[in-house]
Amino acid sequence: DQQVKQNSPSLSVQEGRISILNCDYTNSMFDYFLWYKKYPAEGPTFLISISSIKDKNEDGRFTVFLNKSAKHLSLHIVPSQPGDSAVYFCAASDEGSSNTGKLIFGQGTTLQVKP
Amino acid sequence: DTGVSQDPRHKITKRGQNVTFRCDPISEHNRLYWYRQTLGQGPEFLTYFQNEAQLEKSRLLSDRFSAERPKGSFSTLEIQRTEQGDSAMYLCASSLMAGVNEQFFGPGTRLTVL
Repeated sequence: DQQVKQNSPSLSVQEGRISILNCDYTNSMFDYFLWYKKYPAEGPTFLISISSIKDKNEDGRFTVFLNKSAKHLSLHIVPSQPGDSAVYFCAASDEGSSNTGKLIFGQGTTLQVKP
Repeated sequence: DTGVSQDPRHKITKRGQNVTFRCDPISEHNRLYWYRQTLGQGPEFLTYFQNEAQLEKSRLLSDRFSAERPKGSFSTLEIQRTEQGDSAMYLCASSLMAGVNEQFFGPGTRLTVL
C-alpha cells in the first residue's frame, strides 16, 4: 500500500521557467510533509517542509503548497536552474500519533532543467 | 564536517556472508533512523532509535537484520546470511528529539550481494 505517491517519474523544464512537482497521499493522519532532493551517490538533502496546519511555506525559490482536502501537495521551484536537476522525494510523517517521526517516502520524480 | 556519516560507502559480499554497517549521527541528535532504498523507489523505513532505545522496527526488518545504538551515539546495522534481495542502498538519518523536525541523511552504504 503506497501511502505517498509521486505519479510523475520525470519532469523536464527550461531554465528560468517554473518547475512543479506533485505528490499525493492517502493517510489522513499525516501531519508533517517534507521535500528532499537527491543527487546520484549521495543521501537525500532536506529542502523544505510544511505542517498540516499550514497551506503554504516559502523559502527562497522553493514553495510548498498543501491541500489537505485533496490530500495533495506540490513543490514549486521558480526560477528553475540547471543545478536543480536531481531526484525529488516527497515524504510524510504522522508525528502526532506515532511519535517516532519516521518518514514515508514517495517514489521520486527526476527533474531535468535544460539550459 | 558535522553531518551524518556512514561507513563503508560501498560493500560487495557473497550470498550467505554477514555484513555490518556503521552510522555516526549529528552529535546532538537524539533520534536515529535506518532506511533502505532500492532502484526506482523512495527510501523505506527500517528502524528507529530514540537515544539508545530501539522503539520501532518495520516488518521489512527480518530476523536476519539487527540494529544497535549503544550509548545513544553511533549505530550499527548488521545483516546475517545475506541474500541477493538485500542488495540496496542503506541510509541512516538523524534528527533532534524536540518537536517535528527534518531528518538529516548520511551518504548511504551501497550493498551488493553476489
